[in-house]
Amino acid sequence: NAGVTQTPKFRVLKTGQSMTLLCAQDMNHEYMYWYRQDPGMGLRLIHYSVGEGTTAKGEVPDGYNVSRLKKQNFLLGLESAAPSQTSVYFCASSYSPSEIRYFGPGTRLTVT
Amino acid sequence: DQQVKQNSPSLSVQEGRISILNCDYTNSMFDYFLWYKKYPAEGPTFLISISSIKDKNEDGRFTVFLNKSAKHLSLHIVPSQPGDSAVYFCAASLGNTPLVFGKGTRLSVIA
Repeated sequence: NAGVTQTPKFRVLKTGQSMTLLCAQDMNHEYMYWYRQDPGMGLRLIHYSVGEGTTAKGEVPDGYNVSRLKKQNFLLGLESAAPSQTSVYFCASSYSPSEIRYFGPGTRLTVT
Repeated sequence: DQQVKQNSPSLSVQEGRISILNCDYTNSMFDYFLWYKKYPAEGPTFLISISSIKDKNEDGRFTVFLNKSAKHLSLHIVPSQPGDSAVYFCAASLGNTPLVFGKGTRLSVIA
């Protein structure tokens, strides 16, 4: 049981480049989330999904897209990276929206 | 507008003493509250939670207190240990909407 995994762990992008972050969970959870953490800003929700094939916007969705084609995977895409997207990204999954118990280890992204 | 506030960015406590981390919220409809601990370069880990129908929940050295009239919750760690040094986030839940997180408090436990 691997829990929540994230790929990659680190990435450096140039402004304008694109990339996809992959989140996978093996707990059969319906709910999956993407957060970003910036110094002094806490955890801010980017997008989330309440089930396979569904996605919804969170607090800071601009510049990101997501897809949930399979229940176990939640992808976060940056079409044209900007320096403001330099952050640590965490994926999470849960069986209930009111209680997240599992976060991934994070992806540190730097956009130059 | 912040719905969940952790007004102390940092806190230092001596080993063996009590650590008290505070969290205030503005929405009286929140019905479930959680605390998470986060070490550097790791994801947050769930620590303890409390339902709005309770005013206290205990798990080992960790106790969460909820004061609904003051819209305030606190996490008590007794006794504090150096391994407790981390950033602590509180979060609040309302029905089926995603959790709302505070900005975190960095706890340093000094040996």
